[in-house]
Amino acid sequence: GAVVSQHPSWVICKSGTSVKIECRSLDFQATTMFWYRQFPKQSLMLMATSNEGSKATYEQGVEKDKFLINHASLTLSTLTVTSAHPEDSSFYICSVPLILPGGDEQFFGPGTRLTVL
Amino acid sequence: GQSLEQPSEVTAVEGAIVQINCTYQTSGFYGLSWYQQHDGGAPTFLSYNALDGLEETGRFSSFLSRSDSYGYLLLQELQMKDSASYFCAVRDAMIKAAGNKLTFGGGTRVLVKP
Repeated sequence: GAVVSQHPSWVICKSGTSVKIECRSLDFQATTMFWYRQFPKQSLMLMATSNEGSKATYEQGVEKDKFLINHASLTLSTLTVTSAHPEDSSFYICSVPLILPGGDEQFFGPGTRLTVL
Repeated sequence: GQSLEQPSEVTAVEGAIVQINCTYQTSGFYGLSWYQQHDGGAPTFLSYNALDGLEETGRFSSFLSRSDSYGYLLLQELQMKDSASYFCAVRDAMIKAAGNKLTFGGGTRVLVKP
């Protein structure tokens, strides 16, 4: 499988500030990573597909200019929440997809809990 | 587009058996996956069905019927540690590629009581 880390694990910020979240694939080179957002007791909602060396692909309704994604290397993707507001408070999770003999899986990072005051 | 339906919550006692159903409507289909997520944690992969039938992995089994657009996750010999949310997910493509997106169901919270 793949070991995925995220940093920070939690962050509290003031409204209007920008927050950067890192997602690292520690033992696998990932040309693709996914970013999800999850509100309490709700499902995972895909925000965007991060592509190494090219622009991210955003899901419908996700603002590209607000959620900046950079996939600068095969092991690192970053999500920057710009001008954060309280409604952006959520659990942000990244994942690395792999094709394995038993099927294709996604390996998730531990998540970053963002609280915007 | 994709839509997946699963029950929102199930409560059972230790040692019991729980079946979580998932029905889906997709424009393309390449397999049904199941993930477990404990509160505050990351989702972890449980099982994957690309073909009809039952896949067994220890206490957990997963079933798929492509003709019925239906699958289920079966949790046997429930333990307290099985209290978590369980999500079904489909891949919206006919081509096997790691970059294929997953669409998740709303999740089923399983509460195991002593």
